[in-house]
Amino acid sequence: DAKTTQPNSMESNEEEPVHLPCNHSTISGTDYIHWYRQLPSQGPEYVIHGLTSNVNNRMASLAIAEDRKSSTLILHRATLRDAAVYYCILGGAGSYQLTFGKGTKLSVIP
Amino acid sequence: DTEVTQTPKHLVMGMTNKKSLKCEQHMGHRAMYWYKQKAKKPPELMFVYSYEKLSINESVPSRFSPECPNSSLLNLHLHALQPEDSALYLCASSRGGVIHPNTEAFFGQGTRLTVV
Repeated sequence: DAKTTQPNSMESNEEEPVHLPCNHSTISGTDYIHWYRQLPSQGPEYVIHGLTSNVNNRMASLAIAEDRKSSTLILHRATLRDAAVYYCILGGAGSYQLTFGKGTKLSVIP
Repeated sequence: DTEVTQTPKHLVMGMTNKKSLKCEQHMGHRAMYWYKQKAKKPPELMFVYSYEKLSINESVPSRFSPECPNSSLLNLHLHALQPEDSALYLCASSRGGVIHPNTEAFFGQGTRLTVV
């Protein structure tokens, strides 16, 4: 499976934008980039996914580098409820099984 | 209904007990997953079912036995577990089976298992 690398932890002030990076230099052409988050004492929750183009939804934006070797999850205005572990995961056709890496623990400071 | 429901929420069992974890979804999803999560660690994939057939077994010990009786239900049968098997067991589902990566997975809240 292609691997991802994320910082162990990040901090953000409440109501400010947050950029969570992910490196995936061995990504294949058919791998989608998925982001999930896990709030304390809950199951993981889907955030966003994309293949080549940048993606926006009500929760976040996903910016994908032109060479697809890295991506950035953008939370436009962090709230206390966004404090969670964020996982960047690659999923490819025929092997969509969501293998989680260590993720980034995001702390939001009031 | 976009929920994956897991029961029970908490389970304490002895090493000689037999118990089962249950997972249910009514979203028409054809892929269902079992994950194990130890404290402060990421979820680890255990099993994947695609169209009710076991597609992936990540070398899980035989004391864990999955079952997919129909497209909405996934069970995990537990027998002769060890204390180190204590963990949060998460179920997830996604549409279309494992051949469709352009989709999202929905996770349940998990069953907190303690083996004594």
